[in-house]
Amino acid sequence: QQQVKQSPQSLIVQKGGISIINCAYENTAFDYFPWYQQFPGKGPALLIAIRPDVSEKKEGRFTISFNKSAKQFSLHIMDSQPGDSATYFCAASIDGGFKTIFGAGTRLFVKA
Amino acid sequence: DTAVSQTPKYLVTQMGNDKSIKCEQNLGHDTMYWYKQDSKKFLKIMFSYNNKELIINETVPNRFSPKSPDKAHLNLHINSLELGDSAVYFCASSQERFGLDDEQYFGPGTRLTVT
Repeated sequence: QQQVKQSPQSLIVQKGGISIINCAYENTAFDYFPWYQQFPGKGPALLIAIRPDVSEKKEGRFTISFNKSAKQFSLHIMDSQPGDSATYFCAASIDGGFKTIFGAGTRLFVKA
Repeated sequence: DTAVSQTPKYLVTQMGNDKSIKCEQNLGHDTMYWYKQDSKKFLKIMFSYNNKELIINETVPNRFSPKSPDKAHLNLHINSLELGDSAVYFCASSQERFGLDDEQYFGPGTRLTVT
């Protein structure tokens, strides 16, 4: 019930295309859903996040879509660029953010 | 002016040894974490500390003992190291802000290799 399932495991997209990564959760107590971006040899960094009372959040080329009834959320990267090539983690947190469960990660490669 | 720093960056040691990883944050945050990232990139929370108090302990073996001397530091001591402890360990911090972004700031990681 604490798991966050993420798909796909890897993704190859052409430059300028749309990258879509999906996540699903079970525990309805989760109240914060961030996406983190990790480059090789670096720590994860927050990309964008959403609370369950909002169905969509957009920041630049990055959009989170959130479906509370289906317990699913997704990250859309518009106009994908080679610099977006990284590993993306969805996550869900409870207990005031003290406990964050991460998805397994998606390795995105954007072809130039 | 590194926000979250960890030392050492690399740690190679033999089975059975005891080692420590240090973490410091200069962001003034009140919550710090330790995560383990395995070879498949899976990121799993180990501990959460809030104002130097242990909040979350995710069924981590007793060989792992975190210590928080103050709000800016959270160190991780590992006894009797095993091969399965080989991973990258990330320290992170955040500021408790109910209703707002619970962004966690991650350190650069410590790659631990147990031989």
